[in-house]
Amino acid sequence: DQQVKQNSPSLSVQEGRISILNCDYTNSMFDYFLWYKKYPAEGPTFLISISSIKDKNEDGRFTVFLNKSAKHLSLHIVPSQPGDSAVYFCAAIPSNFGNEKLTFGTGTRLTIIP
Amino acid sequence: EPEVTQTPSHQVTQMGQEVILRCVPISNHLYFYWYRQILGQKVEFLVSFYNNEISEKSEIFDDQFSVERPDGSNFTLKIRSTKLEDSAMYFCASSETRTGKTNYGYTFGSGTRLTVV
Repeated sequence: DQQVKQNSPSLSVQEGRISILNCDYTNSMFDYFLWYKKYPAEGPTFLISISSIKDKNEDGRFTVFLNKSAKHLSLHIVPSQPGDSAVYFCAAIPSNFGNEKLTFGTGTRLTIIP
Repeated sequence: EPEVTQTPSHQVTQMGQEVILRCVPISNHLYFYWYRQILGQKVEFLVSFYNNEISEKSEIFDDQFSVERPDGSNFTLKIRSTKLEDSAMYFCASSETRTGKTNYGYTFGSGTRLTVV
């Protein structure tokens, strides 16, 4: 049951360039989306989120874009830094009351090359 | 910055034994969760807890699992009779709001690595 999919298991990007991580979802009940970053032996750390009423949200070097019609979101990191090397998880929350659990994607391992 | 604390960081147990994983959520948060990640797989929801009762649970959370908030600060996950397939990272999370649809989402702890042998 892959309601949230991250089709790229890994991505390598040169330091200073833009990193683009992609996420697709199938459940039209999702109305809130989050990106988490995870280092080995640590828990997921919240990065940025977006509500389905928006198509873009920006926080410093991180921007999340949402295309509702395509059921697609992406995370842009610019400029990429070595400390950004981690696994990035896309997650979604549905709109129906009483069912607010996070559904995670499988993650994309981002490696920033110095 | 407030954080969710989990203990122990690593627990090794024999199959069939009971384990209790402990979490101290952020003090002003009211909603608590357990998630787990089996090695190489996605992070999966187990259970949510509010007002001293379970709000929602997944099909993974069967009768072998239970959660408790024994006092005002701790939130525990108990596995009564562990199986090999319970080996995973277990993450506790807490949220100030029910939905977590805020500018800061849910806050996760660093996890407990449970190894069942």
